Amino acid sequence: GENVEQHPSTLSVQEGDSAVIKCTYSDSASNYFPWYKQELGKGPQLIIDIRSNVGEKKDQRIAVTLNKTAKHFSLHITETQPEDSAVYFCAPLDPGTYKYIFGTGTRLKVLA
Amino acid sequence: SQTIHQWPATLVQPVGSPLSLECTVEGTSNPNLYWYRQAAGRGLQLLFYSVGIGQISSEVPQNLSASRPQDRQFILSSKKLLLSDSGFYLCAWDRSGSNTEAFFGQGTRLTVV
Repeated sequence: GENVEQHPSTLSVQEGDSAVIKCTYSDSASNYFPWYKQELGKGPQLIIDIRSNVGEKKDQRIAVTLNKTAKHFSLHITETQPEDSAVYFCAPLDPGTYKYIFGTGTRLKVLA
Repeated sequence: SQTIHQWPATLVQPVGSPLSLECTVEGTSNPNLYWYRQAAGRGLQLLFYSVGIGQISSEVPQNLSASRPQDRQFILSSKKLLLSDSGFYLCAWDRSGSNTEAFFGQGTRLTVV
């Protein structure tokens, strides 16, 4: 089955700086790579996703890059704002079971 | 539009008492349904998933069970709660047969005392 590792576990950045979170996976057949944001006391919400036929996708201040050869994908947040503070999860889809395998999460703190 | 409802939002139960958490989805048919548990400051652990009525797959052996009596209803139960069952329980759904976004409920904070 799919093994997922997410780093770092915590990340503090100054407001306006960039943040990068990396997720590695083990199954080379994986083809769907989402990132979720979870605010305190709420369920996770999708913020961006990418499929294996593209290398990068951008949505305003958020981008995801995929390196299929190295089997990792990263979340990039530019011009960070205090409201970006949350826990972020990667959750690649296990192609064998069609279940999402969640990373352990990254707690991002944006310091004003 | 599709919505997911999960209740209650918070629950405090004594050890040994039963549990029933309910989740319903509106605006779609034949969804895949999931129950996750999240311990404080940790990631999401998949407990059960269902691809159709009466079809339940268990991921982790435990004293919890799940049922899907209707297409868009998913219930998490226990006959006797343990202290270790405390956590944040999340219901989720996605579209059957497609690799797409999973939609999560707002969660239930369960504290077993």
